[in-house]
Amino acid sequence: DVKVTQSSRYLVKRTGEKVFLECVQDMDHENMFWYRQDPGLGLRLIYFSYDVKMKEKGDIPEGYSVSREKKERFSLILESASTNQTSMYLCASSGHPGTMKETQYFGPGTRLLVL
Amino acid sequence: ELKVEQNPLFLSMQEGKNYTIYCNYSTTSDRLYWYRQDPGKSLESLFVLLSNGAVKQEGRLMASLDTKARLSTLHITAAVHDLSATYFCAVDSGSARQLTFGSGTQLTVLP
Repeated sequence: DVKVTQSSRYLVKRTGEKVFLECVQDMDHENMFWYRQDPGLGLRLIYFSYDVKMKEKGDIPEGYSVSREKKERFSLILESASTNQTSMYLCASSGHPGTMKETQYFGPGTRLLVL
Repeated sequence: ELKVEQNPLFLSMQEGKNYTIYCNYSTTSDRLYWYRQDPGKSLESLFVLLSNGAVKQEGRLMASLDTKARLSTLHITAAVHDLSATYFCAVDSGSARQLTFGSGTQLTVLP
């Protein structure tokens, strides 16, 4: 059973704080993704990684950075949180394309409020 | 740039009725996914459609893919309350299998 876990379900931070969101998967997946979800906008891809220490920008990378030091862990960093980063953040992972593992599996989400 | 459009965005239906959710996308892709999201929960994978003409069924839900028309449908048969959720389609948009999502269809099944 695929398991994707995220470090916090709810988080409240102040404007300007540095925020770390952690995601861990236990399926040895190559690919990991960070999305944000906002009402009426669906899910938008922030960053993704297809290998350790590799990262690629998604559709909305501004204001975010990521780190992937180990295969199972993918961190999203808000260097200086702003109120427009208040959102639900979802992490996902998937295996090698062309295999049964290529479906993206999602974590439970972190609801971040920036005051 | 790949665009994915779902309609309708909101759908209220009576129990026992049938309905279809549509997902159109703008560029060629060979993989389309359907997900379900319950309120306050994360996304759960429902279907993966991998080729033109693919059809998959699970219970009262059936998904199909027409890659030539760039259209997928999610058909609901004899709806029940438990199907109330938001349904997303997502299209494979790159070599690392990153997905572009539609805005979602919020389905409410009324007794």
